Formats: sequence, structure tokens, C-alpha cells
Amino acid sequence: DIVMTQSPDSLAVSLGERATINCKSSQSVLYSSNNKNYLAWYQQKPGQPPKLLIYWASTRESGVPDRFSGSGSGTDFTLTISSLQAEDVAIYYCQQYYNTPPFFGQGTKLEIK
Amino acid sequence: EVQLEESGGGLVQPGGSLRLSCAASGFIFNNYDMNWVRQAPGKGLEWVSYISTSSSTIYYADSVKGRFTISRDNAKNSLYLQMNSLRAGDTAVYYCARVDADKPTLDYWGQGTLVTVSS
Repeated sequence: DIVMTQSPDSLAVSLGERATINCKSSQSVLYSSNNKNYLAWYQQKPGQPPKLLIYWASTRESGVPDRFSGSGSGTDFTLTISSLQAEDVAIYYCQQYYNTPPFFGQGTKLEIK
Repeated sequence: EVQLEESGGGLVQPGGSLRLSCAASGFIFNNYDMNWVRQAPGKGLEWVSYISTSSSTIYYADSVKGRFTISRDNAKNSLYLQMNSLRAGDTAVYYCARVDADKPTLDYWGQGTLVTVSS
């Protein structure tokens, strides 16, 4: 099984500042045949289901603001919010889809400082 | 508009059974693999089960293997989760989620249905 570990568990950032969330997989999620990282990021606001933000580690889902970006390859990944907005308060999860079971990270709670 | 609507949750005693349903609309259901994901109160996301378009491939999390059964009826645009031998640890909101094969991630989720296992 590929275990996903996020850091930090919680994060407080001032409005307009940068927020960075890290995700580490216990083994590589880079598929050599297509050179794609099978890594996604989701945002979950209170009382709502998760929403897909990023797939292939760095491709924004349609409609996702460009202040959200994903980076990394292999085992180490980052979700960056370039300028935090009030509506970005949420819990963020990474997930590997390289193999089954497609484990999620434990989540990172993002708050306003 | 893609819509996924779960139903069938509720309060059940330990050892009991429950069948969840997920009604899909706004897309060609039989073209998409589907999953169930759950979230215990105040906790993170836990993948539960996967089923391919034709039901030929099915996977389960170790925590539910042998107790839960995923199925689908493409003619009815519906996904199901039969849950037997329920335990307190199965208490959670259960979400159905669609897999976009081009991504390949969970691109649409339902609002979820709450299952509470308690005496």
C-alpha cells in the first residue's frame, strides 16, 4: 500500500499571503510509461463533499482559480495557494491514484491568521 | 449537470445491515468507474470500494472486505453498497464519487449519506 503523509496538520496564514501544504507518498506515484504523477488534491469545506482541485499533481481542474497550483514528482508534492482568500478556509487532502487502495493523506486544515 | 445523490443511510445496531444507493444523472453512467468513500465524524477521508464500468473489477478496503458489497445497475444509473455486520467504526458519512478515467481521479462527489452504527 502507498501511504500518504501530509504536513503540516494545520496551518494559519494571513489573507493575501502564501499557503503551502506538503504531501509525501511512501513510494513513487510516477508512472514511467506516461511520465505522469498519479496524485490529486481535494478541498473540503465544512458540511460539503470534497472538491477536486488538482490532478496529475499539477493540472488544475476546470474552474479552479489560478491561485491554486500543484507541484512535485515521485514522492514529494506541494499544494500552493499564492494569495490566500477567505473562501479558501478548508481542509485539503492529497490522494494517490497510482494503485489500489487509493489512500488519502490525513488532511491539512487551513485557517486565517 | 452531473449529479450524484446518495440515500439509504440511518441508524442501525451493531451487527445489522444497511444498503446505500447512489443515483446518478447528467452523464452516461455506464462509461464511468465509481467509488464509495467514507468520512467518520471529524475525521479524514477513507476510500471504501471501487467498481469498474461493467462490474468486472471490484476492490475493497481491508477494513470492509468480506462485509461490504459494491454493485451497480447501469440500466438504472445507480450504484449500491450493501453493508453487513456493521460495527461502530463504520459510522461515517458515505460518499459516492465518479472516476474520470482521463485524470484519473474522483471528479464528482455526492453530498453523502450518514450511517450511524449504535445500540
